Amino acid sequence: SQQGEEDPQALSIQEGENATMNCSYKTSINNLQWYRQNSGRGLVHLILIRSNEREKHSGRLRVTLDTSKKSSSLLITASRAADTASYFCATGRAYSGAGSYQLTFGKGTKLSVIP
Amino acid sequence: EPEVTQTPSHQVTQMGQEVILRCVPISNHLYFYWYRQILGQKVEFLVSFYNNEISEKSEIFDDQFSVERPDGSNFTLKIRSTKLEDSAMYFCASSAETGNQPQHFGDGTRLSIL
Repeated sequence: SQQGEEDPQALSIQEGENATMNCSYKTSINNLQWYRQNSGRGLVHLILIRSNEREKHSGRLRVTLDTSKKSSSLLITASRAADTASYFCATGRAYSGAGSYQLTFGKGTKLSVIP
Repeated sequence: EPEVTQTPSHQVTQMGQEVILRCVPISNHLYFYWYRQILGQKVEFLVSFYNNEISEKSEIFDDQFSVERPDGSNFTLKIRSTKLEDSAMYFCASSAETGNQPQHFGDGTRLSIL
């Protein structure tokens, strides 16, 4: 089954506007994490929300999690040109008792913020 | 801020050759991971490593792949006999405690198989 599907695939906004990206998943999870990737670079961790949490904030980022709908959203307020990047949600789940969590990534939303 | 470092940033190898990708995780982290991203596709989990052994691996991580933590700071991924389809960006990640913590990624090694 596919896990962590982001929507939209691409989003173009003006600087100063808010950007909302959505993520849906199919199986049970322990946490959901959002990452940013600039072209050709590594994945930068933005925020982690655990399955028993509904909302988290970090600076201009706001993440919600609805486990009943198996969906999450990432809101970036007052966007800047430097926010231009691909954004991925990744669902974390432990399959063994060793404490490691396998992340399953979506294809990402490509955000373009126009100055 | 501590970060995960990976070397080399780009590796070009002939098909059939062995390749070793190197990672230095964040120093007090206990869990280590390898992921890969084929161009234009999703980031895929390969393997997790804890307490000097593999804790999970995906179907991609077959007998051609191995991981090692040889000296308490480095974490390596070895591909024994590379194939064209192994061409991808390989990311190392680490996390501090149990996996219900952020996984921090390196900048990746771009592996090109000729």
